Amino acid sequence: QVHLVESGGGVVQPGGSLRLSCEASGFTFSDYAMHWVRQAPGKGLEWVAAISYDGGYDYYADSVKGRFTISRDNSKNTLHLQMNSLTLEDATVYYCARVGRYQLLYWYFDLWGRGTLVTVSS
Amino acid sequence: IQLTQSPSFLSASVGDRVTITCRASQGISSDLAWYQQIPGKAPTLLIYAASTLQSGVPSRFSGSGSGTEFTLTINSLQPEDFATYYCQQLHYYPPITFGQGTRLEIK
Repeated sequence: QVHLVESGGGVVQPGGSLRLSCEASGFTFSDYAMHWVRQAPGKGLEWVAAISYDGGYDYYADSVKGRFTISRDNSKNTLHLQMNSLTLEDATVYYCARVGRYQLLYWYFDLWGRGTLVTVSS
Repeated sequence: IQLTQSPSFLSASVGDRVTITCRASQGISSDLAWYQQIPGKAPTLLIYAASTLQSGVPSRFSGSGSGTEFTLTINSLQPEDFATYYCQQLHYYPPITFGQGTRLEIK
């Protein structure tokens, strides 16, 4: 069974930092690019960041550029999202998602995790 | 690229046929997907490349369109189909963009 499981969400103060993780299982993690997508409660989906299968390339939404860093550890089948300088607008559910084609950085997302909730509150 | 879905809310009965539209602010060829999201769950891929059914998705789901106008059709609605549907474009990136969603509820 292929799975993605996010962790690391929680409550953080404005201006604070948080590191999300996404653990992959059931497939060869190092063959696939990965993305983060977020969703505010009751709202739509917003793409956040992407990383190539080998970690050599990364891209960010303008709303998080310079504050968030996507990374991966293929030896541990784990994706990360380091989030700094958090604002109220960053308080959402964060999903990791797999690109559904071998080694392509951009394609459709065929596997999603169940999400982890980030709450920003003073 | 902005994607605008219509309607934003749809009420239908089991057995009905429904159509959801997604309009792109610029032409995106056939680089569009549809996702289904059940409340409390992650989205799942239904259709990609505008009209290709993802493996394991029931054949009552179909997609069509190209350029700026796309449709998702669900024939003979089943109880498990009541969810929110999103379109996503993958022609101009980054950023990848999604429509605002269409919530399908039981009448």
